[in-house]
Amino acid sequence: AQSVTQLDSQVPVFEEAPVELRCNYSSSVSVYLFWYVQYPNQGLQLLLKYLSGSTLVKGINGFEAEFNKSQTSFHLRKPSVHISDTAEYFCAVGRNTDKLIFGTGTRLQVFP
Amino acid sequence: NAGVTQTPKFQVLKTGQSMTLQCAQDMNHEYMSWYRQDPGMGLRLIHYSVGAGITDQGEVPNGYNVSRSTTEDFPLRLLSAAPSQTSVYFCASGQNTEAFFGQGTRLTVV
Repeated sequence: AQSVTQLDSQVPVFEEAPVELRCNYSSSVSVYLFWYVQYPNQGLQLLLKYLSGSTLVKGINGFEAEFNKSQTSFHLRKPSVHISDTAEYFCAVGRNTDKLIFGTGTRLQVFP
Repeated sequence: NAGVTQTPKFQVLKTGQSMTLQCAQDMNHEYMSWYRQDPGMGLRLIHYSVGAGITDQGEVPNGYNVSRSTTEDFPLRLLSAAPSQTSVYFCASGQNTEAFFGQGTRLTVV
């Protein structure tokens, strides 16, 4: 069985500040790890994914995430956020994309 | 490419009514899935399919049926709508390591 925990339901931050959204997962088998973003009233868009290899993964819009196997974490980071980054962010795990397990989401609110 | 298309975008049903949420993809993906999104609960898997003619249950399948007669289409049927099925429903299609999501159907059951 797999599960995902997103530790923060909301993260407020000022524009141009750095941000980290935390994600921990549990799985008895090796899985792929994903971060998705959802803008208001829209579907989900893939930000980045970890399949194997380098533990630092770079995605779209300046986001990156680091896979830490020992801590079973996959935290999302951005060094300088913009107002347009305001959205909900979901961490997900799965062995294939037919059955993704999602966390409960983190709402990132960027203030001017 | 239209990607993943869901219809309708909004729907209001009365308790006990049935309806079908449509999902179509034009990317020739093998995998298709249905999720529901509820506040504070993230997305939960309802049903999924790994190819035409093959479907299976996800985490919250009760009250929903699916079929996959073609690669392109994966409709979700609500047999007898209940207020607990008020939610936003997302269809996704994918191939191995990336899933693409539709824009969602917001369903209200009164």
